[in-house]
Amino acid sequence: GAVVSQHPSWVICKSGTSVKIECRSLDFQATTMFWYRQFPKQSLMLMATSNEGSKATYEQGVEKDKFLINHASLTLSTLTVTSAHPEDSSFYICSASRTRENTEAFFGQGTRLTVV
Amino acid sequence: QKEVEQNSGPLSVPEGAIASLNCTYSDRVSQSFFWYRQYSGKSPELIMSIYSNGDKEDGRFTAQLNKASQYVSLLIRDSQPSDSATYLCAVRNQKVTFGTGTKLQVIP
Repeated sequence: GAVVSQHPSWVICKSGTSVKIECRSLDFQATTMFWYRQFPKQSLMLMATSNEGSKATYEQGVEKDKFLINHASLTLSTLTVTSAHPEDSSFYICSASRTRENTEAFFGQGTRLTVV
Repeated sequence: QKEVEQNSGPLSVPEGAIASLNCTYSDRVSQSFFWYRQYSGKSPELIMSIYSNGDKEDGRFTAQLNKASQYVSLLIRDSQPSDSATYLCAVRNQKVTFGTGTKLQVIP
């Protein structure tokens, strides 16, 4: 199988603090990982694409200094939401793929972030 | 034009019927196509991948791809209430682009 584990599954934090979300591929090496955000009843919004060993490529409108992505190994990528605000409250989901192109991507369980 | 388009639905079908979900994409050079299922409050789950023109069957699911028409579909045979979910069409080049999803309701 292809298992992607995301942690934590939910987190509540105070406004102004930072939150780190981990995404691990448990049984395969993930050359590429994707980070998405999904607001209630809306579609997935790609935030950034991360290739192992390279800087992440952010989508237009996504602040790279606010959403720090690190993909230092073939099995782990992290997303840090810095100086979180209530409007950052959302469902954050990672997905991982064995290759940079063409093959399927498998999703983690998602992290529900609530900023109070 | 959106890169990947789906009818948002909801699509309602009776239990046991065939559900037909459709998707069109704009990038003619796309090579990889996927269908994901997402239950409310959960992350997407991969159902099917298809790379070549024609049909691909896996259990009750059949994916159909027509690159000339830039069209990909998913058929669900013998629909069950547990199939009720949002179905996401995805197209991969260097990144994975999702449609907005079609909500399927299977009525018992």
